[in-house]
Amino acid sequence: DTAVSQTPKYLVTQMGNDKSIKCEQNLGHDTMYWYKQDSKKFLKIMFSYNNKELIINETVPNRFSPKSPDKAHLNLHINSLELGDSAVYFCASSQGEGSWETQYFGPGTRLLVL
Amino acid sequence: AQKITQTQPGMFVQEKEAVTLDCTYDTSDPSYGLFWYKQPSSGEMIFLIYQGSYDQQNATEGRYSLNFQKARKSANLVISASQLGDSAMYFCAAKAAGGGADGLTFGKGTHLIIQP
Repeated sequence: DTAVSQTPKYLVTQMGNDKSIKCEQNLGHDTMYWYKQDSKKFLKIMFSYNNKELIINETVPNRFSPKSPDKAHLNLHINSLELGDSAVYFCASSQGEGSWETQYFGPGTRLLVL
Repeated sequence: AQKITQTQPGMFVQEKEAVTLDCTYDTSDPSYGLFWYKQPSSGEMIFLIYQGSYDQQNATEGRYSLNFQKARKSANLVISASQLGDSAMYFCAAKAAGGGADGLTFGKGTHLIIQP
C-alpha cells in the first residue's frame, strides 16, 4: 500500500544506453513531479505534470522526457545516458498544484552510469 | 523564482537537547508555502511540516515546530527533545502560489547528527 512507488530502486547501465524509471502513486493526486538529487545531495526539480500542463525545467537536457500514460503514473525516459546523469531520481506527487499542497516522495531510484 | 539558503552544512547535538535548523528564503511572490523534509541515511524523503506565508501562527507537528519570521524571511525548524533517530539530512523548501505545477525549490540541506 505504498503511496508513491518507483521502479527500479537501483539502475546500473553503460553510457549511451536508453533507460526508463517508472513511478506510480495511489493517492489519487493530480500532480506529479520528477526531481534529481546530485552527489552533493542537492535536489532540483526536473518536471512537473498535471492533466493540463507539463512544466519542464529549462536546464534539463532534452534527452530526458516524462511520459504519463494516466493520472497515476509518470515515467521518466532517458536517452543516450551520460556519466553526469548518475544521481538519485525522485518521483513525487501532490493533490494539486497550490503552494500549500504537500508533495509526497517515492523512495528514489539510484542511477549509476558507467 | 525562489532561493533557499541553509547556512549550516552540519550540526552535532546531544540527545534530548532542542535543535534549531536555519532556513532563509528569498522570493518575490506574495504568497508561498514553506516545507521541511527529512532524509535519513536510508534515502527516502519524509515530509515534516508546512507553513503558509499568510499563516498567522507558527506551524507545529509533534516535536517539530516552524519558527516563521516573515519580515526576516526565515523559516527555521525546531526539533524539541532530540532523539538518536533524528539524525538525518534536513531540507527546507519553498513553492510559490502562482507557479502552477512548479516543483519545490530546495536548500542545500543540513546534516544533523544526534550524539548519545
